[in-house]
Amino acid sequence: KAGVTQTPRYLIKTRGQQVTLSCSPISGHRSVSWYQQTPGQGLQFLFEYFSETQRNKGNFPGRFSGRQFSNSRSEMNVSTLELGDSALYLCASSPGVGANNEQFFGPGTRLTVL
Amino acid sequence: GEDVEQSLFLSVREGDSSVINCTYTDSSSTYLYWYKQEPGAGLQLLTYIFSNMDMKQDQRLTVLLNKKDKHLSLRIADTQTGDSAIYFCAESIKGSYIPTFGRGTSLIVHP
Repeated sequence: KAGVTQTPRYLIKTRGQQVTLSCSPISGHRSVSWYQQTPGQGLQFLFEYFSETQRNKGNFPGRFSGRQFSNSRSEMNVSTLELGDSALYLCASSPGVGANNEQFFGPGTRLTVL
Repeated sequence: GEDVEQSLFLSVREGDSSVINCTYTDSSSTYLYWYKQEPGAGLQLLTYIFSNMDMKQDQRLTVLLNKKDKHLSLRIADTQTGDSAIYFCAESIKGSYIPTFGRGTSLIVHP
């Protein structure tokens, strides 16, 4: 079974631009979560989607948004990019919701904002 | 202070045991996790323990939980160079299953 895939793997943008990252979960998984990983802040939870609905949201500004499609694939969008948005963005999928559902992480998208 | 704290670095010799420590603040933690992140990769769940357990062993991995001190440790027996990675401790608290991660401990295994 294929793992979680994220595209693109690397991305370079400039301040003020917007970016869309994509995540394809493991087949059969319906929950997708997004995290931002930076050296300064560590791993921060962005949001979680289940069955096309956002179930949880972390403490990030409205410039960060996401969505999930009927096939469980998810996208996250960051508008008006800032230098501080440079990070590794990780997507994780799980079969369902709840703490006993193991999250499987993708390799991440490395975003650099210049 | 942070919810989950870990030391940043640990260096061990190949063949020795590694012990990575973590402290957390929320006494309502229900699950405590250890993840491993290798360079250029996402996180891999190594093991987890329920908050009503004291210990869990899985091959070379032993997790110890001291609920009184809110202290979690991961022991890796016979550490190999392939164990070099960043290890993250995480907790999920009652009522929420979104894990809160520590900053990660970089384990360096040298011959």
